[in-house]
Amino acid sequence: DVKVTQSSRYLVKRTGEKVFLECVQDMDHENMFWYRQDPGLGLRLIYFSYDVKMKEKGDIPEGYSVSREKKERFSLILESASTNQTSMYLCASRRGPPSNQPQHFGDGTRLSIL
Amino acid sequence: SQQGEEDPQALSIQEGENATMNCSYKTSINNLQWYRQNSGRGLVHLILIRSNEREKHSGRLRVTLDTSKKSSSLLITASRAADTASYFCATDSRLRGGNKLVFGAGTILRVKS
Repeated sequence: DVKVTQSSRYLVKRTGEKVFLECVQDMDHENMFWYRQDPGLGLRLIYFSYDVKMKEKGDIPEGYSVSREKKERFSLILESASTNQTSMYLCASRRGPPSNQPQHFGDGTRLSIL
Repeated sequence: SQQGEEDPQALSIQEGENATMNCSYKTSINNLQWYRQNSGRGLVHLILIRSNEREKHSGRLRVTLDTSKKSSSLLITASRAADTASYFCATDSRLRGGNKLVFGAGTILRVKS
């Protein structure tokens, strides 16, 4: 079974801090994704990566950056955390082409910015 | 921007009844996927239906797709308390070099025992 592991289930940070969320997958998947989930809005894509050192902006990239130095690890960075970034963050991975592949999700990190 | 929209937002049924959730979307798709999310957990993939398919089954799940109406439905038959969860449809959107999924806001299903 694919395992996607997010480093923290709960995280509390202060406004202005630089925050790192880590995600590791163990199935050698090429594609990795970061989403945030807010009530009534579903999942919104922040950034994704097709392969090592590759990254593409999703629908809401403002205030975030990412890093993928190794295939198994995809990091989400909040450059200067703000209260409107309080949310559930979900990481997912997927095997590369063909495109009809499901995404596999971690259990999420519930981030609170005070 | 969100593409998939689920209906209803919430559904409460008795154990043993069938549950039907609907999803509408706006643009052409390559495939449509359904996911389940238990409280406090990540999403789990349930089923994928390609744009050239009209119906697909997996155990107690049945998914239909009507591309002319840009809609899909997920039917869970003989529901169980363990089916209590949020259900999301997701449509793929072709981008340069690959695809991404666009998720709806979800349907919250509660199955009462």
